[in-house]
Amino acid sequence: DAGVIQSPRHEVTEMGQEVTLRCKPISGHNSLFWYRQTMMRGLELLIYFNNNVPIDDSGMPEDRFSAKMPNASFSTLKIQPSEPRDSAVYFCASSLVGGVPEKLFFGSGTQLSVL
Amino acid sequence: DAKTTQPPSMDCAEGRAANLPCNHSTISGNEYVYWYRQIHSQGPQYIIHGLKNNETNEMASLIITEDRKSSTLILPHATLRDTAVYYCIVRPGNTGGFKTIFGAGTRLFVKA
Repeated sequence: DAGVIQSPRHEVTEMGQEVTLRCKPISGHNSLFWYRQTMMRGLELLIYFNNNVPIDDSGMPEDRFSAKMPNASFSTLKIQPSEPRDSAVYFCASSLVGGVPEKLFFGSGTQLSVL
Repeated sequence: DAKTTQPPSMDCAEGRAANLPCNHSTISGNEYVYWYRQIHSQGPQYIIHGLKNNETNEMASLIITEDRKSSTLILPHATLRDTAVYYCIVRPGNTGGFKTIFGAGTRLFVKA
């Protein structure tokens, strides 16, 4: 298995533009997580899905952020409009609920820079 | 999730054992201790987990105190590649209803 795949690896955009981050979880995993990491705030959980259904989005900072999981093999995190303070590394992770232990497998992340 | 406390940073000489402590005094009976690490610019990586007994795998050993209020992750022969941030997390073992929350972790510097 190729692991969790995120794209793009790097994204540079201007303030006000729409940004879409993509994630392909590990085949067979049934939970997917979006995290954001900055120096100031560390690794923050934004939202997670179980069986493609959003379970907890309390970490989503504002209405400008939205996430979808249309099927078991794909998820997107969208920021519209983007702001400089959104600059961070965004990680996607997947896991198999019911597996022992329930390990998270992370992708390589998307480095987002909003100018 | 139960809260954990870890020292912000530690040093270790290459080839020596690195012992990373974690306090989790409010851990519940059904909560496991998980350890992850994050090497610079990469996503966190699972290392090991345990409930009550000590555990060992190819990466590390985990020692959990009898009262389960603290644990120690041991890297028996640290290498320069073990320089990373190490996260101690407590959460129920295998249910989808709980979030995995990362704290600040311990930044381990392995020095030649």
